[in-house]
Amino acid sequence: GNSVTQMEGPVTLSEEAFLTINCTYTATGYPSLFWYVQYPGEGLQLLLKATKADDKGSNKGFEATYRKETTSFHLEKGSVQVSDSAVYFCALSDRGYQKVTFGTGTKLQVIP
Amino acid sequence: EADIYQTPRYLVIGTGKKITLECSQTMGHDKMYWYQQDPGMELHLIHYSYGVNSTEKGDLSSESTVSRIRTEHFPLTLESARPSHTSQYLCASSVTIDGPNYGYTFGSGTRLTVV
Repeated sequence: GNSVTQMEGPVTLSEEAFLTINCTYTATGYPSLFWYVQYPGEGLQLLLKATKADDKGSNKGFEATYRKETTSFHLEKGSVQVSDSAVYFCALSDRGYQKVTFGTGTKLQVIP
Repeated sequence: EADIYQTPRYLVIGTGKKITLECSQTMGHDKMYWYQQDPGMELHLIHYSYGVNSTEKGDLSSESTVSRIRTEHFPLTLESARPSHTSQYLCASSVTIDGPNYGYTFGSGTRLTVV
């Protein structure tokens, strides 16, 4: 079955540091890949997505590239802010039933 | 702004009470989901629906039940709440399209505490 593995947290960074959160996946075919963000006390929000190999999803300074050869979709941001402190979930969905499989989440804390 | 609404946002209730968590969406999405989120953040699918009068149990066994009488409404009911039901409950929806999936839209969640 489908699965998503993402790096464990918490990740603590100073403001303006470079962020990478690793995500790898196992799936048949050509899934769509997502990053969701959850701010404290809130539901999940779609941060970015990529629907085919070599696509780059981007939003709010975050980027992730769909790498089929390494089955990865790592999240990056060049300069994090305190307001980026949240939990980040990597996820995938196949094209059939379209049910989304989530990773376990990575908590990011950015300190001033 | 959210197009999927969950009420209440917070609920503290005594053991043995019956409760219903509400979830409504205005996007016309055919698919809806309920997730339980534990304190360790992991999401567990407990129920889903692919359309009116269609409901299925998810990956995590749950004592709750759901109904889907209208496309926009997907309430979750606990007949007799217990402290082990204390958790955050997230509702989500998606639309069936040909080709790539564009992901879920989530509500803001209901944080349930059973005392």
